[in-house]
Amino acid sequence: DTGVSQDPRHKITKRGQNVTFRCDPISEHNRLYWYRQTLGQGPEFLTYFQNEAQLEKSRLLSDRFSAERPKGSFSTLEIQRTEQGDSAMYLCASSLVFGARGDQPQHFGDGTRLSIL
Amino acid sequence: DQQVKQNSPSLSVQEGRISILNCDYTNSMFDYFLWYKKYPAEGPTFLISISSIKDKNEDGRFTVFLNKSAKHLSLHIVPSQPGDSAVYFCAASAVQGAQKLVFGQGTRLTINP
Repeated sequence: DTGVSQDPRHKITKRGQNVTFRCDPISEHNRLYWYRQTLGQGPEFLTYFQNEAQLEKSRLLSDRFSAERPKGSFSTLEIQRTEQGDSAMYLCASSLVFGARGDQPQHFGDGTRLSIL
Repeated sequence: DQQVKQNSPSLSVQEGRISILNCDYTNSMFDYFLWYKKYPAEGPTFLISISSIKDKNEDGRFTVFLNKSAKHLSLHIVPSQPGDSAVYFCAASAVQGAQKLVFGQGTRLTINP
């Protein structure tokens, strides 16, 4: 049983550069979530997809951030013109939801740690 | 505005004893609650959950209690084992709609031999 996979595990880049992260969810899961976690805090919601549709974005997600989930499979999160404040752990989670409601847990990947120099 | 709070940043427990981790929430729309365990350099691992229609859920050594009137939940681990040493996060969501999780700040649990 393959879990949620994220790549890369660690990304170091200079301020102003663009970065892209990838998430491969559990194969039968129809929902995919992105969260961000900074030191000493719990993860914070960024955005989520139901199949290929992006249904909600947090106000934490500035215009420099964009996420896609083509064909409802893997997802990418891109950050343009990175800033020091973007340094964080970016976590992806997936779940299987039936209909409009569901009480199924989200399962997380190991995250991508972004360090901005 | 912290909707989910874990007021104890750390907890130290003797091996074999009970560990009790606490969590408070403020949003009445939350009706699904989860506990995650996190080791360094890994993502959160799902432990146990509870729906608001219940007040208790058990899974092996782990039991979650929900007190809706007090907007409080707790995780009991008994007996505690050294491998339980980790950071524990409480999370809450509304079952309808996005089901986005709102997390507490975490409690670092240390099990002493």
